[in-house]
Amino acid sequence: QKEVEQNSGPLSVPEGAIASLNCTYSDRGSQSFFWYRQYSGKSPELIMFIYSNGDKEDGRFTAQLNKASQYVSLLIRDSQPSDSATYLCAVRKPAGGGNKLTFGTGTQLKVEL
Amino acid sequence: NAGVTQTPKFQVLKTGQSMTLQCAQDMNHNSMYWYRQDPGMGLRLIYYSASEGTTDKGEVPNGYNVSRLNKREFSLRLESAAPSQTSVYFCASSADRDRDTDTQYFGPGTRLTVL
Repeated sequence: QKEVEQNSGPLSVPEGAIASLNCTYSDRGSQSFFWYRQYSGKSPELIMFIYSNGDKEDGRFTAQLNKASQYVSLLIRDSQPSDSATYLCAVRKPAGGGNKLTFGTGTQLKVEL
Repeated sequence: NAGVTQTPKFQVLKTGQSMTLQCAQDMNHNSMYWYRQDPGMGLRLIYYSASEGTTDKGEVPNGYNVSRLNKREFSLRLESAAPSQTSVYFCASSADRDRDTDTQYFGPGTRLTVL
């Protein structure tokens, strides 16, 4: 079982729809969770992080965390063509593991006109 | 404030050649990291450095060496390049002041091809 799992996609959504990206993790003690966006040929850039159960909203983006189910998701409301990219989920392990992040392989999102 | 910078942007090597990838950050961050990214494999940690003078192996350290020259700079060396090391290499840094919120910031990457 991979430490961080994401569906590779592509996930296709029409412009203006809600895109839902999912991530599961295997280490129950994982502490905090990060979503990065990566455009083709570019480096990953942080969208948002979450470390408490529940929802966290930032503009059109909402991160959702359910530690009991070991599940974190990213919702993108009013999806735009500029949101087309690969979204990487990253997990910080429990204390004692340093500040390293473990990344999933990413989900490719395509927002269609 | 340039953030994290990497040189070179592109490099082609022949099998057996050596080279050093350079990384520098101007954010006064404590930790620095080297990743490689291959299609379908995601970002995999090669080495990291939690502070000046310390380095630790990550998930895929074989064939690489690193040097944390000072707080700003972290270099990655390929002593004898192999085609399996063809990849995109990213350097990242983080402040390490809050485990819950600490974020890694990435450089623009180096595209390396080993023939």
